[in-house]
Amino acid sequence: QKEVEQNSGPLSVPEGAIASLNCTYSDRGSQSFFWYRQYSGKSPELIMSIYSNGDKEDGRFTAQLNKASQYVSLLIRDSQPSDSATYLCAVIKGSQGNLIFGKGTKLSVKP
Amino acid sequence: DVKVTQSSRYLVKRTGEKVFLECVQDMDHENMFWYRQDPGLGLRLIYFSYDVKMKEKGDIPEGYSVSREKKERFSLILESASTNQTSMYLCASRRTLNYGYTFGSGTRLTVV
Repeated sequence: QKEVEQNSGPLSVPEGAIASLNCTYSDRGSQSFFWYRQYSGKSPELIMSIYSNGDKEDGRFTAQLNKASQYVSLLIRDSQPSDSATYLCAVIKGSQGNLIFGKGTKLSVKP
Repeated sequence: DVKVTQSSRYLVKRTGEKVFLECVQDMDHENMFWYRQDPGLGLRLIYFSYDVKMKEKGDIPEGYSVSREKKERFSLILESASTNQTSMYLCASRRTLNYGYTFGSGTRLTVV
């Protein structure tokens, strides 16, 4: 089982819709979770962090964490073409503290 | 905002050359990292450092070394560049454990 798994996509949604990006992780002891956005040819940019079960909202973005199910998701409301990018899920595993990255989900928002 | 600066955006080197990739962060972060990113393989950790003078191997350290003489600077060295080291190299830093990383803009290295 991969440590952090994401559907590679591409996930295609129409402009104005809700995009839902999902991520599962294998280490039950993980405590810190992050979402990065990466535009083509650019470096990853941190957009959300979440540390406790439940929802965390920041503008059009909502991160959701369910530690019992080992599942973290990112919702993007009112999706815009500028949201088209690859979204990377990252998890801090155990005591070492390095981020483990998923391979990313490519999102395409169609006008 | 934290700034992580990588010295070169694009670099072309010849096989066998010794290559230095420099990374500087300006917010007194403790931890620094070097990754490479290749299509289909995702981000792979080469080396990391939790403190000055300290370095640890990541998942793919072969063919690379690092240097951290000052807290703000973390250098990646390709001892003898090979074509399979053609990649996007990303430096990252973070304040300390349990924080997310801030990435530099990346260096696209081509070895010919």
